[in-house]
Formats: sequence, structure tokens, C-alpha cells
Amino acid sequence: DQQVKQNSPSLSVQEGRISILNCDYTNSMFDYFLWYKKYPAEGPTFLISISSIKDKNEDGRFTVFLNKSAKHLSLHIVPSQPGDSAVYFCAASGNTGGFKTIFGAGTRLFVKA
Amino acid sequence: KAGVTQTPRYLIKTRGQQVTLSCSPISGHRSVSWYQQTPGQGLQFLFEYFSETQRNKGNFPGRFSGRQFSNSRSEMNVSTLELGDSALYLCASSDDGTFGNTIYFGEGSWLTVV
Repeated sequence: DQQVKQNSPSLSVQEGRISILNCDYTNSMFDYFLWYKKYPAEGPTFLISISSIKDKNEDGRFTVFLNKSAKHLSLHIVPSQPGDSAVYFCAASGNTGGFKTIFGAGTRLFVKA
Repeated sequence: KAGVTQTPRYLIKTRGQQVTLSCSPISGHRSVSWYQQTPGQGLQFLFEYFSETQRNKGNFPGRFSGRQFSNSRSEMNVSTLELGDSALYLCASSDDGTFGNTIYFGEGSWLTVV
């Protein structure tokens, strides 16, 4: 049972445009959400997070939006740069009966120069 | 502050053997989690330790085990290796692993089983 879903395996965007990566979750007990970026042969790097009491969090070019009623969050990257090309993982944690962060399958972003 | 350190980075084992992977968390972090990443499968949660106690375990067979030492360093062990165990094993640490706590990853240990 996948509790965190990233339904788009890949996304291609032109440099300078906006990249929007989407994530859905099923467990209403999740109350903290995170995005990680991963390059090949490296561990995931923490990008940005949001708690369930907020609906938006911004850090430079990265903004995460949370829609609790739809159980949906998205990561916006503006403007997109070729160096942003990587796999992006959505993750969630909360009072789900244990101390663990659950990850989605990832979305591979290609930013074309 | 040094990041999460995992050793070894790469290793090749034969089916039936066992393997031990090591993780040193960020200084001051007391929670250590382990994940397995295989192509197309995202990051699958293995287990989480805090103060030498396993607090949660994912849906992996008993061949996968771990432990945490008093200095918060952690090891995971896989016994009777199978070809399907070939994966990137990632360790992550956080302050205390409670909700709203961000976890930080090491670079991983690449295990190939032949």
C-alpha cells in the first residue's frame, strides 16, 4: 500500500520555465512533508519541508504548496536551471504508528538548456 | 558539522553470504533510519533506531537486521544474501526522529549480489 504517490515518473522542462512536481498521499495522519533531490550515485539531499499547519513554504527558487483537503502537495521550481535535473522525492511523516518517514517513488526532472 | 557517513560505499557479495553496513550519524543526532533504494521502487523504509532501541520496522524479511550503539552509530546486516538484495542502502539521521523532524541522508552503500 503506497501511502505517498508520485504519479509522474519523469518531467521535462525548458530552462527558465517553471517546474511543477506533484505528490499525493493517502494517510490523513501525515502532518509533515518534505522534498528531497537526488543525483545519481549520491544520497538524497533535503530541499524544503512544510508542516500541515501551513499551506505554503518558500525557499529561494523552491516553493512547496500543501492542499490538505485534497491530500496533495506540489513543489514549484522557478526558474528551472539545468543543474536542477535530478530525481525528486516527496516524503511524509506523522502520527502513523511509528517513527518513520515514507517516500514516494520519485520523479525524474530534466531541465533542457 | 560532518554529515552522515556510510561505509563501505561499494561492495560485491555472493549469494548466500552476509553483509554488514555501517553508518555514523551527524554529531548530536540520536535517530538513525535505514532505507533501501532499488530502480523504480523509491526509498523503502527498513527500520529506525533511537537510543539503541528499534522503534519501527518496515516490511522486510528477518534476514534484514540492525542495531545502534551507545554513540548513535548504527549497523545493518543482511544475511543469506539474494540477488534481489542488490540495491543502494541509505542511512539517515535526525535529532530525535519525532514528527516534524527532518532526516538527513548519507551517500549510501551500493551492494551488488552476484
